[in-house]
Amino acid sequence: AQSVAQPEDQVNVAEGNPLTVKCTYSVSGNPYLFWYVQYPNRGLQFLLKYITGDNLVKGSYGFEAEFNKSQTSFHLKKPSALVSDSALYFCAVRVQNRDDKIIFGKGTRLHILP
Amino acid sequence: KAGVTQTPRYLIKTRGQQVTLSCSPISGHRSVSWYQQTPGQGLQFLFEYFSETQRNKGNFPGRFSGRQFSNSRSEMNVSTLELGDSALYLCASSLGDGTTYEQYFGPGTRLTVT
Repeated sequence: AQSVAQPEDQVNVAEGNPLTVKCTYSVSGNPYLFWYVQYPNRGLQFLLKYITGDNLVKGSYGFEAEFNKSQTSFHLKKPSALVSDSALYFCAVRVQNRDDKIIFGKGTRLHILP
Repeated sequence: KAGVTQTPRYLIKTRGQQVTLSCSPISGHRSVSWYQQTPGQGLQFLFEYFSETQRNKGNFPGRFSGRQFSNSRSEMNVSTLELGDSALYLCASSLGDGTTYEQYFGPGTRLTVT
C-alpha cells in the first residue's frame, strides 16, 4: 500500500536560515511526488512535483525538493527562509502509470521566526 | 483561467441532517477529487470522479457520496450528519488524462455540525 510520512509536525526556522521539511514515501512502483502549501483559511497550492529526470526539482516561491530513490525521500528545501513562508506543508505521492488516488502526508507546520 | 470554486464556503448543520457541497473545476479539467481535512487526521481522500464516473474511493462510510456532471462540475453529499463530520471539505481538479497529475484546490467548504 502507498504511504507518505512527514516525521515532523512542526518545524521552526529563523528568518534567513535554510529550511528543510522532510518527507518519506512507500509505493509499489515508480512514484510521482508532490509538495503543496496551505495558508490559513485557504485551499492547498501546488508547489512542485517530481515525475522523472533531474533529482533536484525547483518550484514556486524559491522552493526546491530533492528526490532520493535509495532513501525513498523527497525533502522540501529553501536556502533562505522568509516569514511569509510560514504555513502548513503537505507531501503527496501517487504511483506512475496507474489511476490510483494521491496519498497525502499529515502535514508539517512551518514557523519562520523573525 | 478561473480557479476551482466551491460553494458554499461555510455551512452549519444539525446532527442527522444532510448536506450537499458543490465544486466547479478549472475549465478543461475532467478529474475532480474530494478531501476531508481535520486537525487530527490531516487530509483524507474521499473520492475521485473522472468523466462522470467514480474512479477511486477512500475509506469513508456510505453516508458520503458524490457525483459528477457532464460539464465536470461535482457535488458531494453527506447524509445523516454526525458531529465528527465537522471539517474542511476540499475539492481539487486536474486534467485527469494521464499527462500530468498535479491537483488544483478550491478554498474549501467549512462544515460545522452541531
